[in-house]
Amino acid sequence: GENVEQHPSTLSVQEGDSAVIKCTYSDSASNYFPWYKQELGKRPQLIIDIRSNVGEKKDQRIAVTLNKTAKHFSLHITETQPEDSAVYFCAASPSNFGNEKLTFGTGTRLTIIP
Amino acid sequence: EAGVTQFPSHSVIEKGQTVTLRCDPISGHDNLYWYRRVMGKEIKFLLHFVKESKQDESGMPNNRFLAERTGGTYSTLKVQPAELEDSGVYFCASSPLGRQYGYTFGSGTRLTVV
Repeated sequence: GENVEQHPSTLSVQEGDSAVIKCTYSDSASNYFPWYKQELGKRPQLIIDIRSNVGEKKDQRIAVTLNKTAKHFSLHITETQPEDSAVYFCAASPSNFGNEKLTFGTGTRLTIIP
Repeated sequence: EAGVTQFPSHSVIEKGQTVTLRCDPISGHDNLYWYRRVMGKEIKFLLHFVKESKQDESGMPNNRFLAERTGGTYSTLKVQPAELEDSGVYFCASSPLGRQYGYTFGSGTRLTVV
């Protein structure tokens, strides 16, 4: 089955700096890669996703890149703000429709230092 | 639009007891998923319903876990008898069938078995 590894497990950055979280996956059949943000005590929320026919996707300060050959994808947050502090999870799925099971990474706790 | 609702938010039970978790998906969402996060680890897939049918239950740990979705609306996940290793946060998520949307997660039920 699919295996997703996520690094780092914790990350602290100064407010205004950039943060990068990296994930690798094992199953070449995976073609849908969402990122979820979970604030303390709240539900995981989808913040951005990418499909295998796209190499990069950007939404304001958040971007995701995908390298299918190397089987890795990354989340980039620029101009970080205190409200970016949360646990971030990457995931992979074999479905283009996001309607099949997700295999998650172990999460990255991001702390933004004011 | 109401989100995915889970009851209870917290549950503390003794080893050997029974607990039933409930999930109310977003109205009209035919896909319903159960996931679990054990402390500090990844969010792991348990099972997937399409309407009232179990599409994939490959992640269910053992036969102490029973999930139902009668009528294709809300779902229950029963653990009987509970063991210490069942402690964790149980998440439910839902999505429309056949559309390219990510999941909407509930806030989870934190289960502690003592």
